[in-house]
Amino acid sequence: KQEVTQIPAALSVPEGENLVLNCSFTDSAIYNLQWFRQDPGKGLTSLLLIQSSQREQTSGRLNASLDKSSGRSTLYIAASQPGDSATYLCAALMDSNYQLIWGAGTKLIIKP
Amino acid sequence: SQTIHQWPATLVQPVGSPLSLECTVEGTSNPNLYWYRQAAGRGLQLLFYSVGIGQISSEVPQNLSASRPQDRQFILSSKKLLLSDSGFYLCAWHRGETEAFFGQGTRLTVV
Repeated sequence: KQEVTQIPAALSVPEGENLVLNCSFTDSAIYNLQWFRQDPGKGLTSLLLIQSSQREQTSGRLNASLDKSSGRSTLYIAASQPGDSATYLCAALMDSNYQLIWGAGTKLIIKP
Repeated sequence: SQTIHQWPATLVQPVGSPLSLECTVEGTSNPNLYWYRQAAGRGLQLLFYSVGIGQISSEVPQNLSASRPQDRQFILSSKKLLLSDSGFYLCAWHRGETEAFFGQGTRLTVV
């Protein structure tokens, strides 16, 4: 059974720092892995999608990597800003049944 | 472009009352549809998913049910709400290997 784990559960850093959020999964049979952002009381916004054949995707200050063999994905945020404060979730799409399996999220606080 | 609509945005219901949350998708056909619940400060819990009309899979036993009367419509229901049903409910869709997209969520408070 696929399990997705996100570490750390919470992170607080000063503005301007570069940071890395981690996502690990136990079953490498995935179609893709997606990173989302959730602001308090709001829905989820898709940030980056990495297909299983890809190694990384970039969007602005965000860079997501995927290493299927080791069951890991990272979300790199460069030059963090207070507006980046949110909960970040990763989800793996299983190739056996097209189910999305979720991590519990990392709550990120960027201090001005 | 594809869009997903979920309503209502907020709902306060008394214990024992019925529930109906609706989610509709536009701009695609035959999507996989999902209902999730997110309790305060916790991750997403998959409640139901559907790969087609009338095909519903339940992930957790509960007093909730789901229906898919049309290809792009997914409904979450309950006959009698419990206090523990309070939470943030999210509808999502994706098709094949595409990105997953979420509605804006429904904040349900059972009083």
